Amino acid sequence: TQLLEQSPQFLSIQEGENLTVYCNSSSVFSSLQWYRQEPGEGPVLLVTVVTGGEVKKLKRLTFQFGDARKDSSLHITAAQPGDTGLYLCAGASSGTYKYIFGTGTRLKVLA
Amino acid sequence: EPEVTQTPSHQVTQMGQEVILHCVPISNHLYFYWYRQILGQKVEFLVSFYNNEISEKSEIFDDQFSVERPDGSNFTLKIRSTKLEDSAMYFCASSEQRDQETQYFGPGTRLLVL
Repeated sequence: TQLLEQSPQFLSIQEGENLTVYCNSSSVFSSLQWYRQEPGEGPVLLVTVVTGGEVKKLKRLTFQFGDARKDSSLHITAAQPGDTGLYLCAGASSGTYKYIFGTGTRLKVLA
Repeated sequence: EPEVTQTPSHQVTQMGQEVILHCVPISNHLYFYWYRQILGQKVEFLVSFYNNEISEKSEIFDDQFSVERPDGSNFTLKIRSTKLEDSAMYFCASSEQRDQETQYFGPGTRLLVL
């Protein structure tokens, strides 16, 4: 069974601080996505990474896919209250039609 | 920007009743998916659908569940005889291609079984 573990589970930081969220697995994924989910809403896609070692930037967010394609990280620079939410990683294996979701990291940024 | 839409946004039903959840995927997408998220838990894959047939399903997707693409735009999830534990948010997603392709999620239907 494929599992994606995210850490930390909960994170509360002050505005302006930097943070990193991790997504780890013992399985290899052909692609990995990061989502942000607000309460009562569907996950909203932030980024898709497909190449081992790939780094993508989205404004203050930096996403990295591990060289072995088993892990990923999300780094937020100078966090803002608007970054508050549940961050989910989801991985797909080659030859399958489904994404396996991680356990989620709930981020709260205090003003 | 095209998006996946789902109706209804909320559904309350009695245990044992049948429910049908509706989704309109993005128009040029070929792969369709249902996921569910029980309150406080992670998003779980239910089923994927391509070319008018199920491509893959999870162990959650038992005989109580079925999916259908009744016309060129709708994609439905039917739960034949709902149980209390079916209460969850149900998300539809679609993608243009399989595998490395991005899946776009709808806003979800919150199902409450009493």
